[in-house]
Amino acid sequence: KNEVEQSPQNLTAQEGEFITINCSYSVGISALHWLQQHPGGGIVSLFMLSSGKKKHGRLIATINIQEKHSSLHITASHPRDSAVYICAVPNTGNQFYFGTGTSLTVIP
Amino acid sequence: EPEVTQTPSHQVTQMGQEVILRCVPISNHLYFYWYRQILGQKVEFLVSFYNNEISEKSEIFDDQFSVERPDGSNFTLKIRSTKLEDSAMYFCATQGTGVYEQFFGPGTRLTVL
Repeated sequence: KNEVEQSPQNLTAQEGEFITINCSYSVGISALHWLQQHPGGGIVSLFMLSSGKKKHGRLIATINIQEKHSSLHITASHPRDSAVYICAVPNTGNQFYFGTGTSLTVIP
Repeated sequence: EPEVTQTPSHQVTQMGQEVILRCVPISNHLYFYWYRQILGQKVEFLVSFYNNEISEKSEIFDDQFSVERPDGSNFTLKIRSTKLEDSAMYFCATQGTGVYEQFFGPGTRLTVL
C-alpha cells in the first residue's frame, strides 16, 4: 500500500514544454513538500504548501487539501530541470511519507 | 542562506564495521531526522529526534542503529555493525519550531562491501 502516489513515474519532454506532475496521498496532515533530487543524489526542497498555490520562478505547485491532491507544474521546461521530483507528506509526528518520485528528462 | 551539511559525502566500509554519519543542522532548528534511500527505491524515514531523545522511529531503525547529538551541534547516526543491505544514501533533515518545512542535507552515500 502506497500512502503517497505520484504520476507519471517517468516523463520525457522537449525543451519548452509545460510539465505537470501529480501527487495523491491518503495519509498525512495539511501540508505537503515537493522535493527535487538531482542525479548526484542531493535533495532540495522546492515547496512546502498547505493550501492554494505557490510559485517560484518557472515552478508552480498547487494543492487541494479536501481531495488530498497536489500538482507540480514546470513552465518553459529546460534541460537543467531534468531530475527526480518527489512528493512528501508529513504525518502527525512529522514523519514523512515519500512518493516514489517522477523522473523527468527534458530534451534540448 | 543557512543549510544543513553532512559528512562524509561518501563512505565505504567493510561489512561488520561501525560507521558514524554526521549532520550539522541549521542552528536554530530543534527537530532532526534521518532518512535512507536505497538505490532505485524511494526515500524512507528512519528516525526523528527532538529534545535529545528519539520521537519516532521506523521498523528499519533496529538495534543496530543509534542517534545522538553529542555536542549540541552535530547530529549523528551510528550503524553498529554494517550489513550489505545498509548500502544506501542517508539524508539528514532539520526543522524549525512551529513549521512543517524540513531542510535536507546533501546526503552521505554509504557503500558496504
